[in-house]
Amino acid sequence: GAGVSQSPRYKVAKRGQDVALRCDPISGHVSLFWYQQALGQGPEFLTYFQNEAQLDKSGLPSDRFFAERPEGSVSTLKIQRTQQEDSAVYLCASRPRDRGRDGELFFGEGSRLTVL
Amino acid sequence: AQSVTQLGSHVSVSEGALVLLRCNYSSSVPPYLFWYVQYPNQGLQLLLKYTSAATLVKGINGFEAEFKKSETSFHLTKPSAHMSDAAEYFCAVHGSSNTGKLIFGQGTTLQVKP
Repeated sequence: GAGVSQSPRYKVAKRGQDVALRCDPISGHVSLFWYQQALGQGPEFLTYFQNEAQLDKSGLPSDRFFAERPEGSVSTLKIQRTQQEDSAVYLCASRPRDRGRDGELFFGEGSRLTVL
Repeated sequence: AQSVTQLGSHVSVSEGALVLLRCNYSSSVPPYLFWYVQYPNQGLQLLLKYTSAATLVKGINGFEAEFKKSETSFHLTKPSAHMSDAAEYFCAVHGSSNTGKLIFGQGTTLQVKP
């Protein structure tokens, strides 16, 4: 497809379960971002990849959160031992090569995680 | 550190009325500013962006925003609201790092009444 694709769109997990959320960015986009959007809030930055390198993970809320992008394309956000406060929409965004501060981010539709 | 503040979490207008969504920013460097729109169960879509060229920026769907350095503002306007404009709107500023990450405001829900 032409846009950023995320799966699953909806995920319900029991507290303590591990979850994995997938992001397939726009083909050729070098930069990939993960954001967390709690209900009624704006997106909060989690982590950033340039190709396969994770250059910024300052937004990851705890060591239960882990992201990877091993081949510089698809990325996976993993949350271990989920807690209720992890319930949110997880947004993935990508950006083309050679775009600096003025480069817009292209967002996927998000994965809505509900932890019971 | 860069940040944005959106004044008013909910704005309600009548169809055909002026839309004004407020955003103020804080930035230690000349800011790059963005407005995104989010329709229910959809991802964020860029409306417009300011990147230090013209201070009045025109975007999609008839929206525009004016950068005012003296007021540290970047308010979003549309002369005449349409029912299809009902959505969540987010103002964002480019972070100071080289990653290109965006810092988002809390969002404003726009309701359009018939």
